[in-house]
Parts: sequence; structure tokens; C-alpha cells
Amino acid sequence: GAGVSQTPSNKVTEKGKYVELRCDPISGHTALYWYRQSLGQGPEFLIYFQGTGAADDSGLPNDRFFAVRPEGSVSTLKIQRTERGDSAVYLCASGPAGNTGELFFGEGSRLTVL
Amino acid sequence: AQTVTQSQPEMSVQEAETVTLSCTYDTSESDYYLFWYKQPPSRQMILVIRQEAYKQQNATENRFSVNFQKAAKSFSLKISDSQLGDAAMYFCAYSGANSKLTFGKGITLSVRP
Repeated sequence: GAGVSQTPSNKVTEKGKYVELRCDPISGHTALYWYRQSLGQGPEFLIYFQGTGAADDSGLPNDRFFAVRPEGSVSTLKIQRTERGDSAVYLCASGPAGNTGELFFGEGSRLTVL
Repeated sequence: AQTVTQSQPEMSVQEAETVTLSCTYDTSESDYYLFWYKQPPSRQMILVIRQEAYKQQNATENRFSVNFQKAAKSFSLKISDSQLGDAAMYFCAYSGANSKLTFGKGITLSVRP
């Protein structure tokens, strides 16, 4: 597609459930990032992929959070045993090879944990 | 670690007037990029303007320009001839050698007709 696509747009789940959030980056972009944005705050870095491998996962808050990018394109963010504090908008961004710094963002997945 | 600070939570501007949004950052790197992103209610972050640290000339994109003061670690955004469509949250962001964007807390800009 022309832009970064994220699904679902909105997800409501119950505390303790497992959720998956999907990101389809711009074709050809090797870099892929996940961010989490709480209400009224700036996005916070979670994890960065360069190709298939996680180059930096230092932002993942705990071991309930995991992300994969098995073929170097689509990525899935997985959250186990969700907690109410996980409620936020999860943003995905992709960028071309080489560090120009510019990222292209999707519209995010809003996760609500009841 | 790099930090980005936006100390103004909200600003308001009259349509057609000029407004300046402030941002400061802290880093020990000499080569990096600075950005201003706009986030409307649709949630999608849209790049407004980019500045490479090695360039002394301030970036300009149509009605948007920056005042980049490297020694002071300051990076403000000026919006000229403000339009109703400029109303949004604006985020200042930094990217260095580790290739990840670090964002400030953002500022909500409202435009009065």
C-alpha cells in the first residue's frame, strides 16, 4: 500500500486477555518501529526492527510485550495478560534504509483494556 | 540519553497570525536530526519539517520554518499565516545515531477564526 497500515484500528479487551496488533509498513522500508502513546503524551519508543531482527527492544516495558517481524515486512506486536495500564494508542512507523531519521507513521491501534 | 522538552502544553493563535512553538533538547551527539511532527485527531503523525544538525541554515517548508540554535540546543517552529487546518498537536522529535525518534510531550495548538 501507499502508507503504513495498522490493524485493528480499535481493540477493546478484558484484563488478562491476549492481543495482537498488526503493522504493514511501506513497501521497501527496512526499518520498522513500534511506539506507545498515552492520552495527552508524546509517543514512547517500544522496539525497533532493521529487517527481520529486533535492533533495539529497550523500550518494551516488561516480558508481557513481544514483537516479531518474521519476513522483514509485516510486524505483529503481542501483549500477553493485558492490564488496564496497557490502554493506549500503539503507533507503528517505517523508514527507508539509512539513518535519515524521518519516519512514516500509521494511524495507530487504540487498545482499551477493561 | 537524549531528551526532548516542550514546556508549553497549549498555545492559541488567531487565524492569519504567526505563532512560535518552543522545543529544547539535550544530547552529547554532534550529528543528529530534529523534527516537528503534527498529529491531528486522526492520530496519524505527519512530518512538518526536518533539520539536519550539521546544516547551519534553518529549514523552511512553505509557511513553516524553524529557528535552530545548536549551541543552545533549541529548535523552535514558526507557523506563519496560521490556518484553521493547522490546529493539532505538535511534537518535537530527535533522532541520533541509534536511529530512533525521541519525542517531546507535545503542544496543543488551537487556531481562532
